[in-house]
Amino acid sequence: DTEVTQTPKHLVMGMTNKKSLKCEQHMGHRAMYWYKQKAKKPPELMFVYSYEKLSINESVPSRFSPECPNSSLLNLHLHALQPEDSALYLCASSQGRPLLVVEQFFGPGTRLTVL
Amino acid sequence: DAKTTQPNSMESNEEEPVHLPCNHSTISGTDYIHWYRQLPSQGPEYVIHGLTSNVNNRMASLAIAEDRKSSTLILHRATLRDAAVYYCIFNFGNEKLTFGTGTRLTIIP
Repeated sequence: DTEVTQTPKHLVMGMTNKKSLKCEQHMGHRAMYWYKQKAKKPPELMFVYSYEKLSINESVPSRFSPECPNSSLLNLHLHALQPEDSALYLCASSQGRPLLVVEQFFGPGTRLTVL
Repeated sequence: DAKTTQPNSMESNEEEPVHLPCNHSTISGTDYIHWYRQLPSQGPEYVIHGLTSNVNNRMASLAIAEDRKSSTLILHRATLRDAAVYYCIFNFGNEKLTFGTGTRLTIIP
């Protein structure tokens, strides 16, 4: 199974809502990632988890809160978002340290619209 | 941030080879070169990576210049399924991939 799954596929939320994005992989990977992709732009790294610990936070606003409950699951909790946060949110995974130069496997993304 | 330069767009005829160039003049000796592609409505997909020597896999070949300041991704026989945005990235063996603007490849039937 070389698949990264993300739920939901689409999400519409208001600025006062709290919602969560979910990502799952069963490849035994120990590094998991969140990326944000605006329309017609490249993906931008948000967070990296390595062995369930947050290792990289690319100065992401606190209204985005990542969580890695176990090695297979990655969540992104959303609260008080702004319309400019509307984007495609991509999850990825890779084997992780000590193997760093390995491919990242991406999910299909969650298309988020903030009203 | 690691910076690459790629043409915004390229076109190629189906069943012909495609050469996608990338300049990475600020690359250091320990940085790896990665290529990913993103098909329409999908997440990015790994294509290939290399350090110094040319690399081949089932999807493509990667030709790296001797000074490593540029590289070329070669699709040997393009199909309609290869229409995508191709991203060239370099990083030093860590988890951080910084995507550039990429090249949008159009395949003409």
